[in-house]
This record gives sequence, C-alpha cells and structure tokens, in this order.
Amino acid sequence: DAGVIQSPRHEVTEMGQEVTLRCKPISGHDYLFWYRQTMMRGLELLIYFNNNVPIDDSGMPEDRFSAKMPNASFSTLKIQPSEPRDSAVYFCASSRDRSPETQYFGPGTRLLVL
Amino acid sequence: QQQVKQSPQSLIVQKGGISIINCAYENTAFDYFPWYQQFPGKGPALLIAIRPDVSEKKEGRFTISFNKSAKQFSLHIMDSQPGDSATYFCAAPMGGQNFVFGPGTRLSVLP
Repeated sequence: DAGVIQSPRHEVTEMGQEVTLRCKPISGHDYLFWYRQTMMRGLELLIYFNNNVPIDDSGMPEDRFSAKMPNASFSTLKIQPSEPRDSAVYFCASSRDRSPETQYFGPGTRLLVL
Repeated sequence: QQQVKQSPQSLIVQKGGISIINCAYENTAFDYFPWYQQFPGKGPALLIAIRPDVSEKKEGRFTISFNKSAKQFSLHIMDSQPGDSATYFCAAPMGGQNFVFGPGTRLSVLP
C-alpha cells in the first residue's frame, strides 16, 4: 500500500487566499484525521471522520476552517481566508479502527501564509 | 483542557547510552498512553504504547514505564543509536479519538 497520500507537500500563499489541502487515506481505513503541527502548539487534532462522517470537529480553530470527506478515498481541509497564523504542517492520518495502533500519518503539507 | 508536560525539550546522548523522556498528564478519559517517533519531514509514527494494566512494557530497545498514582510515564531507549535521532511525542487520551500530545523531545544520538 502507498500509505496516506497528501497533496500538495508544500504550499505558499498570500494572506486572504483560499487554501485546499488534500488527503487520500489508506484503502480500507474507516477513520480519517486531520492534525496541525506548530512549534508553539505542538500537534493538535483538528477533526476526524468515521465512515466519511465528521465525528468530532471541536479542534477546528475557526469558521475559516472546513473539512469534507465526500467518499472513502478522499478528504479535503480548506482554509478560507488564510492568515499568517495558519502557517503550520498539516497532517492527515487514517486508521482501520479506533485503536491508535492502526493509525498511520501522511507525510504532511507544509503551509506558509505570507 | 488536558495538558501533557514532556521533558526534556531536547536530549543529546552518546551512542550506546540510555535516553529517557518523561511525561506527566492531568486527567485521562481512559488508560492508554502512546509514544510517537517523528523524523524530519515525516509524519509521526506510533512507536510503542502502554495500557496501564501493567506498569511497564518493553519492545526491543524501547520501554515504557508507567506510574498511575503519579500520573507520569516515561520512555527509555536502551543502547541508543544514531538512527534513533528524531523527535518523540507522548500523548494522553482526552476522549473519543482525541489525544493530547506533549510538546516533543528532540533526541540526538551522537555516533
């Protein structure tokens, strides 16, 4: 299996622009997670899905952030409008079940908002 | 909001030495404590985890020790190798699928 695939790997944009991050989970995994990693706040869970349904979005920082999972093989995290403080590495992860032992992280998208 | 304190922030160890990283938590939704390893440019990967029906779990050179009364757990890396150089995160469960992660420890193992 190719693992969790994220695109783009790097994104540089200007403040106010819309940013869309993409994720393809591992086939057969029913859970999908979006995390954000910064030096200041560390690794934070933003939202997770089970069978394409958002279960917990309490970590989504603001209404500027939205996530969708239209099918089992694709998810997006959108920031509109983007701000410099959104600069971070965004990770997507997927897992087969509720156990962290089956969770695998993608390589991340490094976002820089100027 | 649950917080997880992790120390040290960075650690330098000679090859063959023991690396020790400590974490302390406040409260947990349930008892399951994982450690993650992250190499530069990569996502975190689960390294080892403990369910505190035991006070210690060992997998190869990696050992988790857990002290429930003190709300502390630690990662020991025996015979540390340069390939172990990475950032290590502990985590504590908040509920559901949400874990609170420690701020990380950057480990450098010198050859």
